[in-house]
Amino acid sequence: DTAVSQTPKYLVTQMGNDKSIKCEQNLGHDTMYWYKQDSKKFLKIMFSYNNKELIINETVPNRFSPKSPDKAHLNLHINSLELGDSAVYFCASSRSLVGEAFFGQGTRLTVV
Amino acid sequence: RKEVEQDPGPFNVPEGATVAFNCTYSNSASQSFFWYRQDCRKEPKLLMSVYSSGNEDGRFTAQLNRASQYISLLIRDSKLSDSATYLCVVNRMNRDDKIIFGKGTRLHILP
Repeated sequence: DTAVSQTPKYLVTQMGNDKSIKCEQNLGHDTMYWYKQDSKKFLKIMFSYNNKELIINETVPNRFSPKSPDKAHLNLHINSLELGDSAVYFCASSRSLVGEAFFGQGTRLTVV
Repeated sequence: RKEVEQDPGPFNVPEGATVAFNCTYSNSASQSFFWYRQDCRKEPKLLMSVYSSGNEDGRFTAQLNRASQYISLLIRDSKLSDSATYLCVVNRMNRDDKIIFGKGTRLHILP
């Protein structure tokens, strides 16, 4: 019974396409996140979503937009994909902004 | 100075040895601290939280030194299965609500 699940696990797409990654958590947590891990394995937060408040990392291009239909879901939509968007994207959730985070298995995005 | 810094390693350590690594942070307003473990091509998983009084979980001991702004992780009697990347996480609760991961320290336990 997966606590944080994201789909798809692998995504290969062409430059310029629009794609979405879905994330769901069944832990009853109030906070969800999207992280990007690049080829150098550096894990960087993109967004956090807590009680309907979205906190955006200012370095994230506006081609990336998170969408939260409810507290258990935080999807990531990416417009006009670029080669540099290739990375592993992790969804995570935590009870609060200071609590430990539980991660999904990651989505390996490859833009060709 | 980077917000969270770790020695990237790799640390190559024989099985059974004790290994320790530190993580320094730059912002004194940081409030919560964690160590995560990440295996190759897997998601990060919480190893342990780091409390002001220090905490121990089996072979693992974590400590926080607020004065010098670092946290440490000590692994005793290392096992082959301890081979992984260890990520330091610093969480600062203010308007920025920043959660920062270190780049990780790679640990290889050698048979």
